[in-house]
This record gives sequence, structure tokens and C-alpha cells, in this order.
Amino acid sequence: DIQMTQSPSSLSASVGDRVTITCRASQGISNSLAWYQQKPGKAPKLLLYAASRLESGVPSRFSGSGSGTDYTLTISSLQPEDFATYYCQQYYSTPRTFGQGTKLEIK
Amino acid sequence: EVQLVESGGGLVQPGGSLRLSCAASGFTFSSYWMSWVRQAPGKGLEWVANIKQDGSEKYYVDSVKGRFTISRDNAKNSLYLQMNSLRAEDTAVYYCARLYGSGSYGPFDYWGQGTLVTVSS
Repeated sequence: DIQMTQSPSSLSASVGDRVTITCRASQGISNSLAWYQQKPGKAPKLLLYAASRLESGVPSRFSGSGSGTDYTLTISSLQPEDFATYYCQQYYSTPRTFGQGTKLEIK
Repeated sequence: EVQLVESGGGLVQPGGSLRLSCAASGFTFSSYWMSWVRQAPGKGLEWVANIKQDGSEKYYVDSVKGRFTISRDNAKNSLYLQMNSLRAEDTAVYYCARLYGSGSYGPFDYWGQGTLVTVSS
């Protein structure tokens, strides 16, 4: 199974900050990576896929990059509605696996 | 508008069974792979199972193999998860999710609101 490791596990930031979350796969996943946002009591929402492709309707302040085993999610200027938990997920192989999550909190 | 609505969750004793349902609307259900993903209370996301459009291929996470069965009824636009021999560690919110595109390769682009399964005596 491919293990996905996110860092940091939690992050405090302010509105307007630029933040970056990292996801590392235990083996190469050829950009087969998605990022999700989850707010308390809600289902996850797809933000990006194929490492860097923005899902329709997702604000352009979200971006993704990376290759091989290392990927990043960047939020260029945090908005109040961005405080949530973020998960990466690989779909390169079965079982599909998720990172443990990064909780983004207001400083 | 794509909608996925889960039902069937509840409290069940260890060793018991439960059948979850997911009603799909707003898209051609028979054209998509579908999945179940779960989330234990306060924990992260765990993929549980996938099923191909015609039900001919099914895949499971190791921890549920032999106990859970994913199925679908395209005539009813519905996805199911039959859960047997339930354990305390199966306690979670279970989400129905659609796979992006027509293949099995891709992210989960739409999710239901989830249904809570609690396994406890």
C-alpha cells in the first residue's frame, strides 16, 4: 500500500497569509494526487486533482504542484472560509489512500 | 445538480449487520465507478470499496474484505454497502462518493453527506 504523509498536522495562520501544505507518498505516484477540503460536520470537497488541476468552481488562490513522491497545496491569500482540514489522496493504485490531514486554524 | 444521499446508518452490536444505501441523482449513475469512504470519529478518511459501472469489478480495503460487500442497482440509481460481522473499529461516518470521469482512475469528485454507523454493545 502507498502511505501518504502530510505535514504539518496542524497550522495556525491569519487571514491574508500564504500557506503551504506538503504531502509525501511512500513511492512515486505520477501526479495521481488530489486535495480535499473538509469543514466540521461536512463531506470533503475536491479542490485539485492531477496534482495541479483546479476543480471547477474552486477559487484560484488554491494551487498545487509537485511530482514523483512530493506534492504541495498552496493557498496564496487565506480567506476566512479556508479554515478547515485538508487531505491529500493518491489514486495511482488500490487501495486508495489519504494523508492524515492538516488542520488549518485561525491564529 | 449531482446529489448523493446516504441512508441506513445506526447503532448495531458487534458481530451484527447493516446495509447502507446511497441514492444518486443529477447524473447518469450507470456511467460512473462509485465508492464508499469512511471516517472514524475525529479521524481521517479511509477508502473502503469501489465498484465498476456494471458491477463486474469490485475492490476493497483489506480490513473489510470478506465482511463487506459493495453493490449497485443502476435501474434504481442506487449504491449499497452490506456490512456483516461488524466490529467496534468499523464505527465511522460512511460516505458515498463518485469517481471522476468514466474510469476507475481519478479522484472522488462528488460526496454524499454521510451516514453514521456505530458499533457498540
